[in-house]
Amino acid sequence: DTGVSQDPRHKITKRGQNVTFRCDPISEHNRLYWYRQTLGQGPEFLTYFQNEAQLEKSRLLSDRFSAERPKGSFSTLEIQRTEQGDSAMYLCASSLSTGGRRDYEQYFGPGTRLTVT
Amino acid sequence: AQKVTQAQTEISVVEKEDVTLDCVYETRDTTYYLFWYKQPPSGELVFLIRRNSFDEQNEISGRYSWNFQKSTSSFNFTITASQVVDSAVYFCALREYNFNKFYFGSGTKLNVKP
Repeated sequence: DTGVSQDPRHKITKRGQNVTFRCDPISEHNRLYWYRQTLGQGPEFLTYFQNEAQLEKSRLLSDRFSAERPKGSFSTLEIQRTEQGDSAMYLCASSLSTGGRRDYEQYFGPGTRLTVT
Repeated sequence: AQKVTQAQTEISVVEKEDVTLDCVYETRDTTYYLFWYKQPPSGELVFLIRRNSFDEQNEISGRYSWNFQKSTSSFNFTITASQVVDSAVYFCALREYNFNKFYFGSGTKLNVKP
C-alpha cells in the first residue's frame, strides 16, 4: 500500500489523558499536513511540515497540541490533557512540492477518530 | 479573508439524474488553486480535481465535469447520470498561491437513491 497511513484508526481516551497519533505519508512526499474534522464540517488546517521543519501552525493548535516530523518522514501529533472538545477525526495528508511555492494536490490518510470521554 | 462556501448541506437524487454541487469562494489573492474532494462513508478523502486560477477552461472527466467561473468566484461540480456509488460528502477547497493552507468548505452530502 503506497498511500498515506495513520495509526491508530480509533482512539478512546479519558479526559485528561495524553494521546499520540502517527502518520506515514507517501514516501516521496516532502510536505505533510494535519487537519481536524468534526461532524458535519470540512477539515480544518492544524499544521504542516516541509521535510522536518514545521512551517505553519493554526491558532486552533493550542499549547496542548504538539506535532513533530523528526526525520522528514513520519509525523506524530500529540494531545496533552485531552478535553471532550478534542473529540474529532484527525486527518493527515501529504503532498509533493517541487520547488518555489508550488504545491500539488494533497493525498489524505484514513484518519484517526478520537473520542474523549 | 479566505473562505469557501458550500451552501447545499444535503442533496438527494434518484439514480441517473444529473446533479450539480455548488462552491463559492473568497480570496484576495490573484493566484490560487481550487480542489474538489470526495469523502465516501469509509471516511477517506479522495482527490478529484485541481484547478488553477489562471486556467478557466472547464474540465470533463467521464461523468464528472467542473465549471470554473472566476467572475462569480464559483467552482461548481456536476455529476451526470448519477450512480449509487456517488453517494458521499463532497468538499470544495481553496489554496492561495503564497500559502500552503487549504481552506475547505463544510461539504455537501449527496445521497443517490436507486
